Amino acid sequence: NAGVMQNPRHLVRRRGQEARLRCSPMKGHSHVYWYRQLPEEGLKFMVYLQKENIIDESGMPKERFSAEFPKEGPSILRIQQVVRGDSAAYFCASSPGHWEQYFGPGTRLTVT
Amino acid sequence: EDKVVQSPLSLVVHEGDTVTLNCSYEVTNFRSLLWYKQEKKAPTFLFMLTSSGIEKKSGRLSSILDKKELFSILNITATQTGDSAVYLCATPKNSNSGYALNFGKGTSLLVTP
Repeated sequence: NAGVMQNPRHLVRRRGQEARLRCSPMKGHSHVYWYRQLPEEGLKFMVYLQKENIIDESGMPKERFSAEFPKEGPSILRIQQVVRGDSAAYFCASSPGHWEQYFGPGTRLTVT
Repeated sequence: EDKVVQSPLSLVVHEGDTVTLNCSYEVTNFRSLLWYKQEKKAPTFLFMLTSSGIEKKSGRLSSILDKKELFSILNITATQTGDSAVYLCATPKNSNSGYALNFGKGTSLLVTP
């Protein structure tokens, strides 16, 4: 059973471009969480999704950020018009529906 | 607002030493407290604690929760260089968020040979 997969592992974008981060949860897991880790900071919750539904997006900036978890395919975190402050490691975690969360290796986004 | 505060922020010890990492929390509707180890990549799960005073143990690592004083400690005995990592403490956010976790900033542990 493959673990949580994220791609790309590293992403470089210029200011103003769009960034798309993908997360494939573990097989059988229907709950996905996205977290952001800024340099020297802890992991911060962004959004919680179940298949085709956003359950809680209270940690996600209101502008430029969106997330989806379609019926088929990976969960996507999309950042439009990236700025330098978006540079961070973005982690996805999946869960079968209870406390046990498994984290992916993260996508390191660098905005130049 | 829920808070998770870890101390110290960083620690350097020699192989063989014993370390104690601290995590204090202020949480409405406490459900559990979790410890993770992060080595460059994905955080990996160590322990989940729900009951006060019951020690969880895995090899040289152990953890205990004090719900009265609102803190937990993670102990590592006979440290090895492979224990070098950031140790994260977290509590679940409110129940509307499933088990979305609220993390502390972590304790960065460096074990020197």
